[in-house]
Amino acid sequence: GAVVSQHPSRVICKSGTSVKIECRSLDFQATTMFWYRQFPKQSLMLMATSNEGSKATYEQGVEKDKFLINHASLTLSTLTVTSAHPEDSSFYICSARDPLIAGSSYNEQFFGPGTRLTVL
Amino acid sequence: AQSVAQPEDQVNVAEGNPLTVKCTYSVSGNPYLFWYVQYPNRGLQFLLKYITGDNLVKGSYGFEAEFNKSQTSFHLKKPSALVSDSALYFCAVRDFYSSASKIIFGSGTRLSIRP
Repeated sequence: GAVVSQHPSRVICKSGTSVKIECRSLDFQATTMFWYRQFPKQSLMLMATSNEGSKATYEQGVEKDKFLINHASLTLSTLTVTSAHPEDSSFYICSARDPLIAGSSYNEQFFGPGTRLTVL
Repeated sequence: AQSVAQPEDQVNVAEGNPLTVKCTYSVSGNPYLFWYVQYPNRGLQFLLKYITGDNLVKGSYGFEAEFNKSQTSFHLKKPSALVSDSALYFCAVRDFYSSASKIIFGSGTRLSIRP
């Protein structure tokens, strides 16, 4: 299956700083990537849909100015947590679909391994 | 709105016994359903999906799921559990009414297999 990577896998930062998380599709081009957030022992909550070459679509309740998403190429999407606070500490997971797979809209999404963010 | 529900937060099974992780769905139109597994501090791994066809879907690691339209269920099953199956399992549905056909996840069920 297609591979999605994330970097870094783990990051610790001070309150007030900004943190950038990268999501890459390694062996396919992804016009659409998704960013999820997962709190301990909870489900994945979709934060936003990242579209290559256009603005991201944010879910209700997600602050777009705080969680900046850039999808500048078909293989890279970035999530920047600006002015991070301890409550932003979470596990962030990205996902992508390969549009060239036949019927990909009906197929599974490929998920990255996640990034554990801890804000002190 | 499309949604899935996982009524059990935790399922405990002895190794070698059959296991079932429950999922029910609520969708408009035909459901496109998935099961994913998550190991500690890892991303999600795809197990199987139901789109159309046979109600019994076979997936990775010996798992299978049965689509039941009358009961609106899509329970995950395995005939003989392994300790290594212990993980967090998510049922999910494709929301074709959203702009990007996003996947909506259930709340997750923690499966614990005791030796």
